[in-house]
Amino acid sequence: QVQLQESGPGLVKPSGTLSLTCAVSGGSTSSNYWWSWVRQPPGKGLEWIGEIYVSGSTNYNSSLESRVTISIDKSKNQFSLRLTSVTAADTAVYYCARGPDVWGKGTTVIVSS
Amino acid sequence: DIQMTQSPSTLSASVGDRVTITCRASQTISTWLAWYQQKPGKAPNLLIYRSSSLKTGVPSRFSGSGSGTEFTLTISSLQPDDFATYYCQQYKSCWTFGQGTKVEVK
Repeated sequence: QVQLQESGPGLVKPSGTLSLTCAVSGGSTSSNYWWSWVRQPPGKGLEWIGEIYVSGSTNYNSSLESRVTISIDKSKNQFSLRLTSVTAADTAVYYCARGPDVWGKGTTVIVSS
Repeated sequence: DIQMTQSPSTLSASVGDRVTITCRASQTISTWLAWYQQKPGKAPNLLIYRSSSLKTGVPSRFSGSGSGTEFTLTISSLQPDDFATYYCQQYKSCWTFGQGTKVEVK
């Protein structure tokens, strides 16, 4: 049974860079899936951030594309999110997912000085 | 980008009611549509994929239908555990979520 676990700093300063990692267990990032990041601001809906394939191909939400990088490390069986120039609007619960059916539990990131 | 419009945003219902939530895509997505249930503080939980396929373990009172641009999620007889927020999601071209429907106690 595949499980995903997000990790990273829970507090990021404005104008800084948000970096999160999603560790995959019970499965492999070398398998043929798209691996995604989704976020949810407090009290709001779900927003897709982007995705990466095993080949390294990526797709990003056009509203975030200039600030987002998603990468994959098959040797460590994990994939990562990097979001630059953060503001308070980037405060959210961040989820990693494999396809539509497997999600991590989420990690809260607050942007504040 | 494909936009998803979900309605209603809030739905008040009682246990035993039949509940229907609608989702409309801004362009055709065939049947590349999923429905999720989310409870406070929890990750979204997949209920239905490919518009009408029930994920293993999901109660049969949940059903989905539609293709192209119009989709519905139906709960045939609302149970106490079903009070939650529901999201549709297209995954034909990247992902886009609907705004969500909160099913609350009437």
